[in-house]
Amino acid sequence: DTAVSQTPKYLVTQMGNDKSIKCEQNLGHDTMYWYKQDSKKFLKIMFSYNNKELIINETVPNRFSPKSPDKAHLNLHINSLELGDSAVYFCASSHQRDTRTDTQYFGPGTRLTVL
Amino acid sequence: GESVGLHLPTLSVQEGDNSIINCAYSNSASDYFIWYKQESGKGPQFIIDIRSNMDKRQGQRVTVLLNKTVKHLSLQIAATQPGDSAVYFCAETPGGSYIPTFGRGTSLIVHP
Repeated sequence: DTAVSQTPKYLVTQMGNDKSIKCEQNLGHDTMYWYKQDSKKFLKIMFSYNNKELIINETVPNRFSPKSPDKAHLNLHINSLELGDSAVYFCASSHQRDTRTDTQYFGPGTRLTVL
Repeated sequence: GESVGLHLPTLSVQEGDNSIINCAYSNSASDYFIWYKQESGKGPQFIIDIRSNMDKRQGQRVTVLLNKTVKHLSLQIAATQPGDSAVYFCAETPGGSYIPTFGRGTSLIVHP
C-alpha cells in the first residue's frame, strides 16, 4: 500500500557506469518529479512530468534522462556516472502540477554512491 | 540551543519544550510557503502550509508564522516529542511558478 515507491533503495556503482532508478506511484496522480539531495541535505528539483509530458527540466547534465512510460511511473537513467552524482534521489508525485493546491508526496529515496 | 555553521543548523530541545524553527526566504514574489519534515532514511513529508495573504496558520501542535516584511517564516512545535526529531525544511513558491524551492534544512533533536 506504499504511495510512492522507488527501487533500488541503495545503489553503489563505479564511475563511468550507466544506471537507472525506478519510481512508481499508486495515488492516481498526474504529476511526478525527481529531486536530488546532496550531502548537505540541500534538495533541488531536477525534472517534472505531467501526464507523461516533461514540464520542468532544470539545469541538469544531459547524462540524466527521465522517462515516463505511463502516468504512474517516472524512471531516471544516468549515463557515465561521475563522483559528483553521489546523492540521494527522491521521486515525488502530486495530483496536479500546481503544488499550491496539491501536496507533493515523496518516495523513500535512492542513495546513489559512485566510487 | 541553536547553532549555525558549515553543517546543518541544529536545534536541540528537551521533550515537552516548545520548539521554534526559523527560515529566511529569498524571493519577495513568493506567495506560498510549506514546511516539510524529513525523518532519517525517509523522504520529506508535508507538515503545514501558508499563503502570503495570511500571517499565521495553526495545525495540530504546529503553528507557522509568516513575516513578509522581513521575509521570515517560522515553525513552532508545541510540547515537542522524541518523534519530532527530524530535519525540517521550509519551501517557497514564487508567483508564476508551480514548484517550491527548498531552503536549507534545520535538524531538530529532541532529548527525552
